[in-house]
Amino acid sequence: EAGVAQSPRYKIIEKRQSVAFWCNPISGHATLYWYQQILGQGPKLLIQFQNNGVVDDSQLPKDRFSAERLKGVDSTLKIQPAKLEDSAVYLCASRVQGDREKLFFGSGTQLSVL
Amino acid sequence: SQQGEEDPQALSIQEGENATMNCSYKTSINNLQWYRQNSGRGLVHLILIRSNEREKHSGRLRVTLDTSKKSSSLLITASRAADTASYFCATGLLSSGTYKYIFGTGTRLKVLA
Repeated sequence: EAGVAQSPRYKIIEKRQSVAFWCNPISGHATLYWYQQILGQGPKLLIQFQNNGVVDDSQLPKDRFSAERLKGVDSTLKIQPAKLEDSAVYLCASRVQGDREKLFFGSGTQLSVL
Repeated sequence: SQQGEEDPQALSIQEGENATMNCSYKTSINNLQWYRQNSGRGLVHLILIRSNEREKHSGRLRVTLDTSKKSSSLLITASRAADTASYFCATGLLSSGTYKYIFGTGTRLKVLA
C-alpha cells in the first residue's frame, strides 16, 4: 500500500513570501491531519479534515494559514505571508474512518523562513 | 497546546539495556498511542492502548496506562542502536464523531553501541 505523500520535501523562503504544501493521503483514508513540528518539540495539530469538511481548525493561525481538501482526497496547506517563527516541519497524516485509530504520516515538508 | 508531557526529555543508554519513558496527560482520553520519529523523517506508529486497558505488549515494547494518574509508560527491552530516535505519546480524544490526536513533547533516546 502506498504511503502518505508530501511535497516538496524542503522549502526555503524569505519572510513575507507565500508557500504551499501538498499532501496526498493513503487511498480510502477519510480523515486527514496537518501538524506543525518545531525543532525539538512534538507535533502540534493545525487542522483536521473529515472527507472535505473541516473538523477542527482551532489551532490554525487563520490570519496567515489556510488549508483545503477539495474532493476529500488531496490537501494543500498555505502560508501567506510567512514569518520567521513558521520555520518548522509540516507533517500530514491520514487515518481510516471508523474504529482504526492508527495515524499514518508522510515524511513532512521542512520549511525554513529567512 | 500539547496534551502530553514526556519524561525524560532525553535518555542515553547502552545497547542491551532497557529504556523507559513516561507520558503524563491532562484530560480524559479514549486511547493513547506511541510513535517513533527518526531524525528528519515522519512518525511511525508503534503501539496503541485503549482507556480500558492497563498493559499491552508488542515484541520488545511494553506499554502501560494508568487512567487514574493520567499517565503512561513505554518500555523498550534489550535496546539496539537502531532504536535511537525520538518517541512521542499521542492521546486520542473522540470529539464531534472523530478522533483528535494531541502529541506530547517527546523523549530523545540514544542507544550507544
